[in-house]
Amino acid sequence: DAKTTQPTSMDCAEGRAANLPCNHSTISGNEYVYWYRQIHSQGPQYIIHGLKNNETNEMASLIITEDRKSSTLILPHATLRDTAVYYCIVRVGGITQGGSEKLVFGKGTKLTVNP
Amino acid sequence: NAGVTQTPKFRILKIGQSMTLQCTQDMNHNYMYWYRQDPGMGLKLIYYSVGAGITDKGEVPNGYNVSRSTTEDFPLRLELAAPSQTSVYFCASILSGADTQYFGPGTRLTVL
Repeated sequence: DAKTTQPTSMDCAEGRAANLPCNHSTISGNEYVYWYRQIHSQGPQYIIHGLKNNETNEMASLIITEDRKSSTLILPHATLRDTAVYYCIVRVGGITQGGSEKLVFGKGTKLTVNP
Repeated sequence: NAGVTQTPKFRILKIGQSMTLQCTQDMNHNYMYWYRQDPGMGLKLIYYSVGAGITDKGEVPNGYNVSRSTTEDFPLRLELAAPSQTSVYFCASILSGADTQYFGPGTRLTVL
């Protein structure tokens, strides 16, 4: 089962920031938080990941609470093309010493960006 | 690089028929995966492979078989198609120790 809890759906106005929350209260010390998104039944696409520090890349920012029990994915200026299902996943990252790098998907958050 | 490619894109099967879903990656990734996604649900892992000749079951393996004879290819076999196998199937790959799992475009399968 997925180790994360996300809201089923969210709406955001175009041009505004989209803040997608995720709870992962049972996260282990060696587990990273990963975010993927799936646009209209295409294959999921990697967005960002982090361990305990906040991370930023060209797509998004990831804010992880100090206790690591929750995180927020931020799309700073949402566009219509950001309408998608966003998945928050926890897994062991980096060198896993024989791990399988498996991803366990929940139902994700359906983000709708409105004009 | 073409990334992860899947064929066919769409397929309709009759109950009891068999077929093979093809998946190929050209990134020299050692880990490969098959997921299925039912409407409104997240992806569920069917089978995975950590290298040529090594495969293992995921969460929902019943009714499927896989093989991994080369690093590049990871076909998924349905022997006796059932309506419950109507789904979208995604193949994915990752290099061990890397951060990003790459997904193919999916195969939409309908069993009637």
